[in-house]
Amino acid sequence: KAGVTQTPRYLIKTRGQQVTLSCSPISGHRSVSWYQQTPGQGLQFLFEYFSETQRNKGNFPGRFSGRQFSNSRSEMNVSTLELGDSALYLCASGEGPWATEAFFGQGTRLTVV
Amino acid sequence: AQKVTQAQTEISVVEKEDVTLDCVYETRDTTYYLFWYKQPPSGELVFLIRRNSFDEQNEISGRYSWNFQKSTSSFNFTITASQVVDSAVYFCALSEAGSGYALNFGKGTSLLVTP
Repeated sequence: KAGVTQTPRYLIKTRGQQVTLSCSPISGHRSVSWYQQTPGQGLQFLFEYFSETQRNKGNFPGRFSGRQFSNSRSEMNVSTLELGDSALYLCASGEGPWATEAFFGQGTRLTVV
Repeated sequence: AQKVTQAQTEISVVEKEDVTLDCVYETRDTTYYLFWYKQPPSGELVFLIRRNSFDEQNEISGRYSWNFQKSTSSFNFTITASQVVDSAVYFCALSEAGSGYALNFGKGTSLLVTP
């Protein structure tokens, strides 16, 4: 079974631009959650989708948004990028509606210059 | 409000030593889930264990063991006979019932095992 796939792995963007990150969960998994990891703030929850519905949202500004498609693949979008958005963005995949094992992808390293 | 505290920022041990990573949590829910993840230098978070709040049995998996104590709100992780390959950052996380996969992570403990 393939693991969680995140694309791209690395990204460099300029302040003010927008970016879209993609996450393909493990086959059969219906939950996708997103996290931002920075040296200062650690791992912070962004949002979670289950069967195309956003179930939970973390404390991030509206510039951060996401969606989940019918095949469970998910995308997150960050608009009007700021330097502070530079981080490792991790996606996790879960099988059922409850918090069982969540499997993470390798992440997308976003650098905003 | 939920909170996870990993008071040990960095730990350095010599190979074959035992090491315990501490995790203390706060939650008002009676139903919750606790996790441990390992993050090697490659960056991917590797799932180690999940425990629900109703299961206080200790768990042993090879050289790894976990001690869950609701009385002290702790979920500590012990590596026996540590190896260089255990060097990584270890995260403890909490998810409350109804929060799905919205995990609240601690700041992590960086473990360095030297030969």
